[in-house]
Amino acid sequence: AQKVTQAQTEISVVEKEDVTLDCVYETRDTTYYLFWYKQPPSGELVFLIRRNSFDEQNEISGRYSWNFQKSTSSFNFTITASQVVDSAVYFCALNRDTGFQKLVFGTGTRLLVSP
Amino acid sequence: DAGVTQSPTHLIKTRGQHVTLRCSPISGHKSVSWYQQVLGQGPQFIFQYYEKEERGRGNFPDRFSARQFPNYSSELNVNALLLGDSALYLCASSLGRRDTEAFFGQGTRLTVV
Repeated sequence: AQKVTQAQTEISVVEKEDVTLDCVYETRDTTYYLFWYKQPPSGELVFLIRRNSFDEQNEISGRYSWNFQKSTSSFNFTITASQVVDSAVYFCALNRDTGFQKLVFGTGTRLLVSP
Repeated sequence: DAGVTQSPTHLIKTRGQHVTLRCSPISGHKSVSWYQQVLGQGPQFIFQYYEKEERGRGNFPDRFSARQFPNYSSELNVNALLLGDSALYLCASSLGRRDTEAFFGQGTRLTVV
């Protein structure tokens, strides 16, 4: 069975602080896909990144960076110099490489960035 | 280009009633998936439809059904509503492959009273 764990329920930081959101996943598959989504108060899930299991390169996009480590089954997300607009719930998700497209989500981490 | 659109945005229904939620995918996307998100939890997979056929179903009762139309839009139907069906229902549009990202609509907030 596939499982995604986001142990941090809520994180509060002050603007300009760096923050890391943790994601640990479980799967027996050798090929799989990992995702991060942002859910602002409006409710829509906004796609942030996709990572294939065979590509362990870390990625940076502006203030966002992702650290993928297969050895620890983790796919952590760091926001550098956080801003108030980063306040949202962030979800990590997993999709198998077999069968249909089915995202398995973690329970999410609520990030509160105060001015 | 228009993103994923869902209607209605909010809905209040009484226990035992039936509800139909609608979704229009991004142009060119042939896959629509439905997810249920209960307050404080992550979205849970309900269905995936691709090229008008059901490709997958999550662990939901038969009261939940869906279909996809020739223009790739989709409907989610829920019969005999229960209080526990109150949730945000999200529609996701994609190219359908497992290695591609899904793009979500703003959701339909269903409240069952």
